[in-house]
Amino acid sequence: GAVVSQHPSWVICKSGTSVKIECRSLDFQATTMFWYRQFPKQSLMLMATSNEGSKATYEQGVEKDKFLINHASLTLSTLTVTSAHPEDSSFYICSARESLDYNEQFFGPGTRLTVL
Amino acid sequence: GQNIDQPTEMTATEGAIVQINCTYQTSGFNGLFWYQQHAGEAPTFLSYNVLDGLEEKGRFSSFLSRSKGYSYLLLKELQMKDSASYLCAPLDSNYQLIWGAGTKLIIKP
Repeated sequence: GAVVSQHPSWVICKSGTSVKIECRSLDFQATTMFWYRQFPKQSLMLMATSNEGSKATYEQGVEKDKFLINHASLTLSTLTVTSAHPEDSSFYICSARESLDYNEQFFGPGTRLTVL
Repeated sequence: GQNIDQPTEMTATEGAIVQINCTYQTSGFNGLFWYQQHAGEAPTFLSYNVLDGLEEKGRFSSFLSRSKGYSYLLLKELQMKDSASYLCAPLDSNYQLIWGAGTKLIIKP
């Protein structure tokens, strides 16, 4: 149990385009989902915390107008990178916290974004 | 502030035992996780400690001392597939995971 999927696994896009990444909890309901970014050889960096039905809470330094997060249901959250630029190329990982368990976060497999 | 301190890199031999130490400072504390992360992949859960003491799970064990802000992950009977980064991540008062850069473990034959 407790499986989180992400789609797509990897994406290559041109500079200036927008990319949407989906994160789904497959066998549990997730009232909270987290979006992370990880550059090579660096630690995971929390971008935002997403609660179902409410606006996401962004970490300091993360542009909310550039990284649009929608958490419309208990099993789906989306991250849209708008007007992507090469510096946005990174590994984006989502995690989900089960609604009745505030502790463990279950991670998706990640999405590798390359902006040309 | 919040801080995680782990060695950057460790090397061990196949079949041996290795201990990866972690010290932390967080705003509040709701337990500590250890994750394994292979290159290019997302982290996978290894263990969770919320009380002081040792938790054993197969070849992996994790220890916590809340008063010292200290934890370690012990890996026994090392296998080549254990080559990965190991992330110590305490949970703060807001139930957010605090991440360090992790420890890259290199296993040699």
